[in-house]
Amino acid sequence: AQTVTQSQPEMSVQEAETVTLSCTYDTSESNYYLFWYKQPPSRQMILVIRQEAYKQQNATENRFSVNFQKAAKSFSLKISDSQLGDTAMYFCALRHGGSQGNLIFGKGTKLSVKP
Amino acid sequence: EAQVTQNPRYLITVTGKKLTVTCSQNMNHEYMSWYRQDPGLGLRQIYYSMNVEVTDKGDVPEGYKVSRKEKRNFPLILESPSPNQTSLYFCASSLMRGMANYGYTFGSGTRLTVV
Repeated sequence: AQTVTQSQPEMSVQEAETVTLSCTYDTSESNYYLFWYKQPPSRQMILVIRQEAYKQQNATENRFSVNFQKAAKSFSLKISDSQLGDTAMYFCALRHGGSQGNLIFGKGTKLSVKP
Repeated sequence: EAQVTQNPRYLITVTGKKLTVTCSQNMNHEYMSWYRQDPGLGLRQIYYSMNVEVTDKGDVPEGYKVSRKEKRNFPLILESPSPNQTSLYFCASSLMRGMANYGYTFGSGTRLTVV
């Protein structure tokens, strides 16, 4: 069975500092994709960053980057220069590359950015 | 604008009164899915559809029905709602096959309260 685990229910960080959110996953597939979604208080689900499992290079999107450790099945999200607008729930998710394509979510980490 | 449209955004209903939450996408996506989000549980899949007239159960299908008569629409039906179906519901859509790395596009969510 495929699972996604986020071990930090809540975290906080001071504005302008860096924070890392953890995610581990379990899958027997070799072709899969990993995602981080952000859910601000508006509750909209916003795609933050994606990573293809076959790529060794870690994905980066502006202040957001990942540390993808395939052997360890770890996919952490680093937010640099944290801003107040980064306050949100963050969900890690896994999707296989086959025809079914279901997205499996972790339980989320609530991040608070403090001024 | 490419989007997934859910209606209503908020709904309060009484136990046993049938209701439908509508979902429509304008991106010609084959794949559509419904999730419910509950505190501490993340997002759990209810039903999904890989194309017109093709639907299948997700992880928590009990008490729900879906239909996919047209590619763009994927309504969620609660025939006899109960209080344990009080939740935040999301509809999502995606391209299929070879496009799994794009993740899902989510609707804005429906906050359902069953009293």
